[in-house]
Amino acid sequence: AQSVTQLDSQVPVFEEAPVELRCNYSSSVSVYLFWYVQYPNQGLQLLLKYLSGSTLVKGINGFEAEFNKSQTSFHLRKPSVHISDTAEYFCAVSTGGYNKLIFGAGTRLAVHP
Amino acid sequence: EPEVTQTPSHQVTQMGQEVILRCVPISNHLYFYWYRQILGQKVEFLVSFYNNEISEKSEIFDDQFSVERPDGSNFTLKIRSTKLEDSAMYFCASSAPGLVTDTQYFGPGTRLTVL
Repeated sequence: AQSVTQLDSQVPVFEEAPVELRCNYSSSVSVYLFWYVQYPNQGLQLLLKYLSGSTLVKGINGFEAEFNKSQTSFHLRKPSVHISDTAEYFCAVSTGGYNKLIFGAGTRLAVHP
Repeated sequence: EPEVTQTPSHQVTQMGQEVILRCVPISNHLYFYWYRQILGQKVEFLVSFYNNEISEKSEIFDDQFSVERPDGSNFTLKIRSTKLEDSAMYFCASSAPGLVTDTQYFGPGTRLTVL
């Protein structure tokens, strides 16, 4: 079975500061990794995904994530955040094909002026 | 850009009543999913659907739940007799065929409140 742990439930940060949202996963088989963002009162939007190849993945809105197999991590980073990045961020895994996504508990990013 | 739509955005019902949540997936997608998110908790998988049958379902998806694709565009989730603990945000998602795996695109959700 797979599981996802997001170590921080809330991350406060000032505008233009860098941020890292942490995600660790557990699985006995190979997985594909995703980050989704949920803005207030909206659905889930894909930020980026890792399927194979380069371990550094770039996504929308200036976000990137690095897959680290030895540490079973997929941390999300942005070098300079904006107020508009305030949202809930979810890390998820899938075993591929059209299988279900298994989500972490989410990290609420609050960007302050 | 095509998107998944869901109706209604908010549904209030009395305990024991039946509800049907509706979703219109992206038109060329073939795989459909329902997830739910109880307030303050993580997003949980309920069921996946392909070729007019359930591919996988979670323990949450008991006999009170059913899914249907009644026509070429809609995908519905029915809860036969709602319970207080069914109160949650329900998300529909769809994905298209791909070589490895494909992105699941989510709708905006239906907030179900059971009184």
